[in-house]
Amino acid sequence: NAGVTQTPKFQVLKTGQSMTLQCAQDMNHEYMSWYRQDPGMGLRLIHYSVGAGITDQGEVPNGYNVSRSTTEDFPLRLLSAAPSQTSVYFCASSPAGGVGEQYFGPGTRLTVT
Amino acid sequence: GDSVTQMEGPVTLSEEAFLTINCTYTATGYPSLFWYVQYPGEGLQLLLKATKADDKGSNKGFEATYRKETTSFHLEKGSVQVSDSAVYFCALSDGSGGSNYKLTFGKGTLLTVNP
Repeated sequence: NAGVTQTPKFQVLKTGQSMTLQCAQDMNHEYMSWYRQDPGMGLRLIHYSVGAGITDQGEVPNGYNVSRSTTEDFPLRLLSAAPSQTSVYFCASSPAGGVGEQYFGPGTRLTVT
Repeated sequence: GDSVTQMEGPVTLSEEAFLTINCTYTATGYPSLFWYVQYPGEGLQLLLKATKADDKGSNKGFEATYRKETTSFHLEKGSVQVSDSAVYFCALSDGSGGSNYKLTFGKGTLLTVNP
């Protein structure tokens, strides 16, 4: 099992550019989430999905879009990158009916100039 | 809403010292509690968990006890090693109403252990 994988590992964007952060899991987990990690802020939830075709907003959704067409994949789209989106992004998955334990990917470090 | 408050650190210890990182929480339901560890340049790994009051989670010499009366889940280790240097996050999942898709995190505590 590869677990949760994320690509790319690093990315530099110019303000206004768009891009997609990829996330995939091979554990057949129903739930998937995207978090951003900023210094002194912990991790904050951007968007989450409780199953294929179902997504919802988390704590900090502005500037990001998600979709979930398959159980395995949960891409995060930045529509028009801003310097405030410079952060480390983590994707996570968890099984429905569990106690909430989530499994994290290795992260994508994004810099917007 | 749910929240987690933990010691912000940084915490610097000598090898073999005793470690405590305090964590308290606020939740509307009956949460599960977690400690995650993040080594430099890596993602988060689950260190230990507890799912109900008075449960003790333990792993790799670390322990934490779910104390409902004080809404706390303090992380302890009797003798730290240099390899324990990392950022530690306390988190909760509020399982009431089926909302266990989401973790609420504390801000993290940077631990540095010197030889």
